Amino acid sequence: GESVGLHLPTLSVQEGDNSIINCAYSNSASDYFIWYKQESGKGPQFIIDIRSNMDKRQGQRVTVLLNKTVKHLSLQIAATQPGDSAVYFCAEIATGNQFYFGTGTSLTVIP
Amino acid sequence: EPEVTQTPSHQVTQMGQEVILRCVPISNHLYFYWYRQILGQKVEFLVSFYNNEISEKSEIFDDQFSVERPDGSNFTLKIRSTKLEDSAMYFCASSGQGANYGYTFGSGTRLTVV
Repeated sequence: GESVGLHLPTLSVQEGDNSIINCAYSNSASDYFIWYKQESGKGPQFIIDIRSNMDKRQGQRVTVLLNKTVKHLSLQIAATQPGDSAVYFCAEIATGNQFYFGTGTSLTVIP
Repeated sequence: EPEVTQTPSHQVTQMGQEVILRCVPISNHLYFYWYRQILGQKVEFLVSFYNNEISEKSEIFDDQFSVERPDGSNFTLKIRSTKLEDSAMYFCASSGQGANYGYTFGSGTRLTVV
């Protein structure tokens, strides 16, 4: 079946620095990807999405990069703030409407 | 901003009991989903529901589970006879015309089976 995984389980950054969170996926047929943020005790919160016909998409302080050649997705957070501390998941859809989630990267922002 | 609402936020039940987890999806959404997250593990798909029937389900979603849209606003997940390993966060989600349209998660119900 599909496999979505993250390279690093934890990441610590200084407040104000940029963060990069990586994700690998295995299904080359996946055509839609979302990055989610999950704070303790809460549900996944949408951050940004990207379709497979794009290789970059920017939002407010966030950028997602998609490299289909190596099946790699990354989330860049600019000027990381303490409120960005959370677990970040990438999720993919290949067929149907179900997302496959990675195991998550825990981001800690050091003030 | 529209939200997916789940109740209760925390449910404790005895092993073997039936539980019903409730969700109110976003009002103009057409697709509804349940996911679960065992503590410390990744979010896993359970089932999707469209046009009053199950459209996809995972191997986790066995005969112990059922879903229902009893009226125009609620979407429920029933676990018939709970087991200890059913303890998890259960997330409801909804989307518009498909996964690419406003896929939104609720805050979850923490189910503890004792």
